[in-house]
Amino acid sequence: GAVVSQHPSWVICKSGTSVKIECRSLDFQATTMFWYRQFPKQSLMLMATSNEGSKATYEQGVEKDKFLINHASLTLSTLTVTSAHPEDSSFYICSASTGKYTEAFFGQGTRLTVV
Amino acid sequence: GQQLNQSPQSMFIQEGEDVSMNCTSSSIFNTWLWYKQDPGEGPVLLIALYKAGELTSNGRLTAQFGITRKDSFLNISASIPSDVGIYFCAGQLFPSGTYKYIFGTGTRLKVLA
Repeated sequence: GAVVSQHPSWVICKSGTSVKIECRSLDFQATTMFWYRQFPKQSLMLMATSNEGSKATYEQGVEKDKFLINHASLTLSTLTVTSAHPEDSSFYICSASTGKYTEAFFGQGTRLTVV
Repeated sequence: GQQLNQSPQSMFIQEGEDVSMNCTSSSIFNTWLWYKQDPGEGPVLLIALYKAGELTSNGRLTAQFGITRKDSFLNISASIPSDVGIYFCAGQLFPSGTYKYIFGTGTRLKVLA
């Protein structure tokens, strides 16, 4: 149980285009989903927290207009990188949780390369 | 952003040896989680801790939630080559009615056969 699926696993896009990444909890309802960014050989940096049906809470320094997050249902959250630039290239990972004092389960990550 | 301090940063050990790593914070946490991440993949949950002083095992892995709620450690006994990877601790925070998970700096483990 507790499977989180992220799609796509990797994507290459041209500078200036937008890319959407999906995160689905397959066998549980996730009241909260989290989006992280990870640079090579570094830890996971939280970008934003999203609750189903409400606006995402972004961490300090993360541009909300750049990284659009939608959490339309208890099993799906999407991250859209708008007007992508090479510096947005990174490994993006989502996680999902059923509530406070519980575990968070991760998707397999999405490698974004902007050329 | 916030991060938890993990030590050691990296370690090389011989197969069969025991491994110990820890995670410390200046803040109090109510939940501690330990994850393992393989290259190019998302982290996989190893152990979850919910009470101060709690000691929990998962096979060869043992983790403890520090009494002060500001630290946790993870032990791996009798290491094997597939233990190689990056281990992260994570603590749960509750800012303004919501909650989030903050990750440690990671411990990179390499096992020599």
